Amino acid sequence: NAGVTQTPKFQVLKTGQSMTLQCAQDMNHEYMSWYRQDPGMGLRLIHYSVGAGITDQGEVPNGYNVSRSTTEDFPLRLLSAAPSQTSVYFCASRRLAGEGEQFFGPGTRLTVL
Amino acid sequence: GENVEQHPSTLSVQEGDSAVIKCTYSDSASNYFPWYKQELGKRPQLIIDIRSNVGEKKDQRIAVTLNKTAKHFSLHITETQPEDSAVYFCAADTGFQKLVFGTGTRLLVSP
Repeated sequence: NAGVTQTPKFQVLKTGQSMTLQCAQDMNHEYMSWYRQDPGMGLRLIHYSVGAGITDQGEVPNGYNVSRSTTEDFPLRLLSAAPSQTSVYFCASRRLAGEGEQFFGPGTRLTVL
Repeated sequence: GENVEQHPSTLSVQEGDSAVIKCTYSDSASNYFPWYKQELGKRPQLIIDIRSNVGEKKDQRIAVTLNKTAKHFSLHITETQPEDSAVYFCAADTGFQKLVFGTGTRLLVSP
């Protein structure tokens, strides 16, 4: 099993550009989520999904969109990038919401100029 | 919603000493408390977890204690080694589909 995978590993955007961060898992996990990690602020939840077709907002959803068309994939879209979105983004998955270990992907380091 | 506070933000110890990191949570419905270790440039990885029906759990040199009444839980690392140097995160899971993390503790173990 590859576990949780993310692409790209690094990305530089200009203000106003849009892009999609890809996330996939091969563990047949129902629950997937996106976090951003900023110095001194821990891991903050952006969006999450409890299954295909179901998504909901976390603590810091503004400026981001998600969709979950399959169990395996959970892409994160930045609609119009801003310097405040410069961060490290982690995708994660769990077998079910509220149950079991949460596994993280390797992260995407995003810089917005 | 759930709020998790973590202290200290940095902790320096000598090799062989013990290290303790403390977290408090706000939602009494929280029932699962994992601890993650993140090495520099790597992803967070689970090192130990505890459920609300258990007061203490040990795994070799690491242990976690939970006080439900006071709503706090702690990570204890004994006989620290340089490879324990990392950022440690606590988290609380209310069961309402969100795992909320603390702000992290940077542990530095000096030889």
